[in-house]
Amino acid sequence: DAGVTQSPTHLIKTRGQQVTLRCSPKSGHDTVSWYQQALGQGPQFIFQYYEEEERQRGNFPDRFSGHQFPNYSSELNVNALLLGDSALYLCASSPRLAGGLAKNIQYFGAGTRLSVL
Amino acid sequence: DQQVKQNSPSLSVQEGRISILNCDYTNSMFDYFLWYKKYPAEGPTFLISISSIKDKNEDGRFTVFLNKSAKHLSLHIVPSQPGDSAVYFCAASVATDSWGKFQFGAGTQVVVTP
Repeated sequence: DAGVTQSPTHLIKTRGQQVTLRCSPKSGHDTVSWYQQALGQGPQFIFQYYEEEERQRGNFPDRFSGHQFPNYSSELNVNALLLGDSALYLCASSPRLAGGLAKNIQYFGAGTRLSVL
Repeated sequence: DQQVKQNSPSLSVQEGRISILNCDYTNSMFDYFLWYKKYPAEGPTFLISISSIKDKNEDGRFTVFLNKSAKHLSLHIVPSQPGDSAVYFCAASVATDSWGKFQFGAGTQVVVTP
């Protein structure tokens, strides 16, 4: 049973460019969350997708956008990259329980390390 | 606004002894807490959780204690093993928030020495 998979593992971009990161959730999971982890800090919530819609968003600018596909996989897009966007980007998935509540345990992928030069 | 704080960036402990990791939170709406462990080049792995209706939860060598009045939780690892060397993150959420948004602390690096 594959866990959460993310691609690519590493990426180097220059300022002003755009980047797309990809995530496949754990089998049986339909909810995907994205986090940014800067060096020496904990993961910061970017947004969460369920039923192909953004359901909740953290304190990130509109340059950060996402998408969820019918197979529950997800993409994170970042436009107009800044040096400060350099970080580890983590994807986490969770199943939705009966009654609509998210199961309060999220399973993480290994992340994509983005370097902006 | 850092709502979850881990004030000890690192902890060194001898193998076989107890590791105690601390976490403080400021948002009284948080009612579900988790600890994650992270090895280099891997994603965080769920370790143990506790709901605010409890003050203790135990799973093998890992025990989490919750003090709601102090807005403080701690993770005890007994006995510590070399494989426990990792970064530990405390996370908090509002369980009734149907979209399960987590707030994480900055992490504590644990090093278990022989």
